[in-house]
Amino acid sequence: DGGITQSPKYLFRKEGQNVTLSCEQNLNHDAMYWYRQDPGQGLRLIYYSQIVNDFQKGDIAEGYSVSREKKESFPLTVTSAQKNPTAFYLCASRVLGQGAGAEAFFGQGTRLTVV
Amino acid sequence: GQQVMQIPQYQHVQEGEDFTTYCNSSTTLSNIQWYKQRPGGHPVFLIQLVKSGEVKKQKRLTFQFGEAKKNSSLHITATQTTDVGTYFCAGGTYKYIFGTGTRLKVLA
Repeated sequence: DGGITQSPKYLFRKEGQNVTLSCEQNLNHDAMYWYRQDPGQGLRLIYYSQIVNDFQKGDIAEGYSVSREKKESFPLTVTSAQKNPTAFYLCASRVLGQGAGAEAFFGQGTRLTVV
Repeated sequence: GQQVMQIPQYQHVQEGEDFTTYCNSSTTLSNIQWYKQRPGGHPVFLIQLVKSGEVKKQKRLTFQFGEAKKNSSLHITATQTTDVGTYFCAGGTYKYIFGTGTRLKVLA
């Protein structure tokens, strides 16, 4: 089955801890994205990657880090520098380009709560 | 940077009434996609518009791309309770940005 898998579904973090959210896709998509969604709000772009070993900051990158060592994987680390990390995190992938098939496919999301 | 705004932010309608959400980008878009997110779920792709002035229909849903390719709209005719959710527009070739979303509630 092709798709995107995010894990874990729920994650609890103590203040001052770093946590890493997993995102794996087997769709052979070049581009991968991380978004943050707060309750009742839209999707804000954290980081994105167009190719292995390269990534760019989105609109709210402070307090987060990513890596793209493999095409299939794009893990997100929420560092202790992120002061308000409680949110719903969504990973997405898509084919690069402007034609048909440019839609984004999403994982099921990870709900992160600071305790 | 590029911003994509949607209005209204919220909309409550009686079942059977029509609903429209508007999407406005600060920059010209090469194409635009629309998504629906059910409560507690993840966004699911609905449709893509590419051409200036393009209109596409999916059953009760009508999507339109503006002539200047900076705005778009989604219209739902005769809403049903299954239409409940948040509707997002999105665009961008590499940096893929989502609109602020419109949350639709349908009252039976």
